[in-house]
Amino acid sequence: RKEVEQDPGPFNVPEGATVAFNCTYSNSASQSFFWYRQDCRKEPKLLMSVYSSGNEDGRFTAQLNRASQYISLLIRDSKLSDSATYLCVVNNYTGFQKLVFGTGTRLLVSP
Amino acid sequence: NAGVTQTPKFRILKIGQSMTLQCAQDMNHNYMYWYRQDPGMGLKLIYYSVGAGITDKGEVPNGYNVSRSTTEDFPLRLELAAPSQTSVYFCASSYDSGDYNEQFFGPGTRLTVL
Repeated sequence: RKEVEQDPGPFNVPEGATVAFNCTYSNSASQSFFWYRQDCRKEPKLLMSVYSSGNEDGRFTAQLNRASQYISLLIRDSKLSDSATYLCVVNNYTGFQKLVFGTGTRLLVSP
Repeated sequence: NAGVTQTPKFRILKIGQSMTLQCAQDMNHNYMYWYRQDPGMGLKLIYYSVGAGITDKGEVPNGYNVSRSTTEDFPLRLELAAPSQTSVYFCASSYDSGDYNEQFFGPGTRLTVL
């Protein structure tokens, strides 16, 4: 079983739609969680951290369920510029930040 | 600030050749990391460094070596290149290594070994 599992997609949605991505992780000791965004042939960039209480940043909402070892990302009012691959990332801290990356979920937003 | 820079952007190597991938950061970050990303796979940690003079192995270190003589630079050395090392290599850095520290990535080096 992969440490971090994501649906690879692609998710094809029209502009203005709401879309949700899910991610599961296998290590119950994982300490912190992130969503990174990666554009085609570019480097990953931090989209948002995911806190236990859930957090929101504009059109983006992240949720964490530690009991089910499940992370989600909700994007409201999708824009063309949201088209990218979204990487679910888990930190298995062992004295340093050991990030474990999912394979990513691809989102395509069309006009 | 330039952030994290990597050179070269692209490289084709023949089997058995060697090369060094360069990485530099100007953010005075203590922590630096090398990852590889294969098609359809998540990024895998090759080596990391917690400061000048200190490096350690990550998940997939075989076939690679690193050094960290300064805070700014963290080169990755490939000895005896093999087709299995065809990948995109990302260097990253972070100020600290706490739970929610952001890692900043360089633009990557696309390496093909033929």
